[in-house]
Amino acid sequence: GAGVSQSPSNKVTEKGKDVELRCDPISGHTALYWYRQRLGQGLEFLIYFQGNSAPDKSGLPSDRFSAERTGESVSTLTIQRTQQEDSAVYLCASSLGSSYTDTQYFGPGTRLTVL
Amino acid sequence: AQSVTQLGSHVSVSEGALVLLRCNYSSSVPPYLFWYVQYPNQGLQLLLKYTSAATLVKGINGFEAEFKKSETSFHLTKPSAHMSDAAEYFCAVSGRTGGGNKLTFGTGTQLKVEL
Repeated sequence: GAGVSQSPSNKVTEKGKDVELRCDPISGHTALYWYRQRLGQGLEFLIYFQGNSAPDKSGLPSDRFSAERTGESVSTLTIQRTQQEDSAVYLCASSLGSSYTDTQYFGPGTRLTVL
Repeated sequence: AQSVTQLGSHVSVSEGALVLLRCNYSSSVPPYLFWYVQYPNQGLQLLLKYTSAATLVKGINGFEAEFKKSETSFHLTKPSAHMSDAAEYFCAVSGRTGGGNKLTFGTGTQLKVEL
């Protein structure tokens, strides 16, 4: 079946512009995660959605970052007034549930470059 | 708080040789541990996971890892490397703090396989 998809695959933007990244999780997966992978670093957790519960935003680095999810479907990550340090690969993952044993399936990522 | 440390950002082995990728963890609770692999231009794929059952965990593509509490380690091994194993490998630990399964990743190890 279809895996996690993300769009766009690449995004180049100018400093100060807003960007919106999209994630389509695997159908039926109730949990959705966003991570960021900066060059030479491991993945950093950003935000987590589980069903209709309030999202866990504890990993968002600043108030310029926000994310939404409609029910158990598509999620968008928005970065306002982008800065050069926002350049990274943004990865989305989904899992059937939010148990510690539920495997997270990752999308291919969106590579964001802020000039 | 949980964390993982991957020793060696780059590892090079000959085809047919043993692969050993090191991961040490720090966790205030019994950890759940994961190894993911990232092939070029692809998303992360789960290789294997430890969830407090057997300490020797077998994964896909002939990889396995052993959980050693006394050494706080979860090293990844494969008896005989193939060229197709060339990729980046990430060790991760589950947050297990409240809702969700937030993963904390190491900085990754790039595996090169030479003829």
